[in-house]
Amino acid sequence: AQSVSQHNHHVILSEAASLELGCNYSYGGTVNLFWYVQYPGQHLQLLLKYFSGDPLVKGIKGFEAEFIKSKFSFNLRKPSVQWSDTAEYFCAVNAGYNQGGKLIFGQGTELSVKP
Amino acid sequence: EAGVAQSPRYKIIEKRQSVAFWCNPISGHATLYWYQQILGQGPKLLIQFQNNGVVDDSQLPKDRFSAERLKGVDSTLKIQPAKLEDSAVYLCASSLLLAGTDTQYFGPGTRLTVL
Repeated sequence: AQSVSQHNHHVILSEAASLELGCNYSYGGTVNLFWYVQYPGQHLQLLLKYFSGDPLVKGIKGFEAEFIKSKFSFNLRKPSVQWSDTAEYFCAVNAGYNQGGKLIFGQGTELSVKP
Repeated sequence: EAGVAQSPRYKIIEKRQSVAFWCNPISGHATLYWYQQILGQGPKLLIQFQNNGVVDDSQLPKDRFSAERLKGVDSTLKIQPAKLEDSAVYLCASSLLLAGTDTQYFGPGTRLTVL
């Protein structure tokens, strides 16, 4: 069965620290990859997505992610976090052309940024 | 542009009772999804519709869950009878197309507590 694994359940950083959240998936075929974020009290919203082309994709609010096919990974990065980045982050995968829009989510990583 | 609307936002019921959730997607979005998010986990797809047809309901517990999207616009998800393990946030999402690359827009969710 297809699955998505996020390595860290809770990450605590100070402002200006660099961030990297890990995401690995298990599917050998073509994939479309997403990072969603849920700020406190708000809806899930898209941070960035990858489906083809440059494996380094840039999203909103200074976030970027790199798709490494050989490692089945799609890690999220930000060089300098802010207090406002405190949120829960979800990696999601759409696997296969016949899956329609079906997304498989990881369990999420809660990020706390200390001012 | 109005987002995905869901109601109610919160619901508390006793086990064996029935409950229904309503979702109105973004105008013009052909595809609608219902996800279940149990505390500490990522969202899990229950069912996806393309217009008023079901694309994938493989993870919907059909002995107790049902969903419909009769006119291809808004949708209702029902649980009858509810079990304790149904306590979760039920998320509705919509996308313009049925494509793995398409962004899904999420509603605020309905938090269900089964006592």
